[in-house]
Amino acid sequence: EAQVTQNPRYLITVTGKKLTVTCSQNMNHEYMSWYRQDPGLGLRQIYYSMNVEVTDKGDVPEGYKVSRKEKRNFPLILESPSPNQTSLYFCASSGTTNEKLFFGSGTQLSVL
Amino acid sequence: GDSVTQMEGPVTLSEEAFLTINCTYTATGYPSLFWYVQYPGEGLQLLLKATKADDKGSNKGFEATYRKETTSFHLEKGSVQVSDSAVYFCALTSNFGNEKLTFGTGTRLTIIP
Repeated sequence: EAQVTQNPRYLITVTGKKLTVTCSQNMNHEYMSWYRQDPGLGLRQIYYSMNVEVTDKGDVPEGYKVSRKEKRNFPLILESPSPNQTSLYFCASSGTTNEKLFFGSGTQLSVL
Repeated sequence: GDSVTQMEGPVTLSEEAFLTINCTYTATGYPSLFWYVQYPGEGLQLLLKATKADDKGSNKGFEATYRKETTSFHLEKGSVQVSDSAVYFCALTSNFGNEKLTFGTGTRLTIIP
């Protein structure tokens, strides 16, 4: 089954404790992206990747890192999480940037 | 820059009612327009899209027409069902690619039997 898999689904952590949210797709997609969803703000793009070893900033990249060492994986790293990073995070992928986006089920992060 | 404005929610309707969710946009050039739907506990799914003026996107009984003169892309459905309860997002991209996809704030729709 074609899918984008994110883990974990829920995460509670404390300020400053490094964490990684994993994202993996099984569709051989070139394009991958991370979004955060906040009430009243909709979805905002954090980072995106056009292909392996090619990443670029979205609209809200501060406090986040990403890497794309393999085509299928695109982890989101928070080196020193802060409470304002409490949000619902989505990973998405598509074959090329012009094709339909497939979304993961989301990761609800709470930073205390 | 590009922006999308959606009607404020939440919207509550009775089953079989007519649905309209308003969406207007600001963009350079000739954007492509989308509606995405997010069912409870799931990620977003593409519902429909339109890539040029006067195009009508349709899927699952939902329709939206790309109106360049009014910069709008309103979502409509003639008879809603309980299973349509979800959050609906209007979105656009000005350069044909997902890397510059801009979303609206979302409209939560609840259908009561």
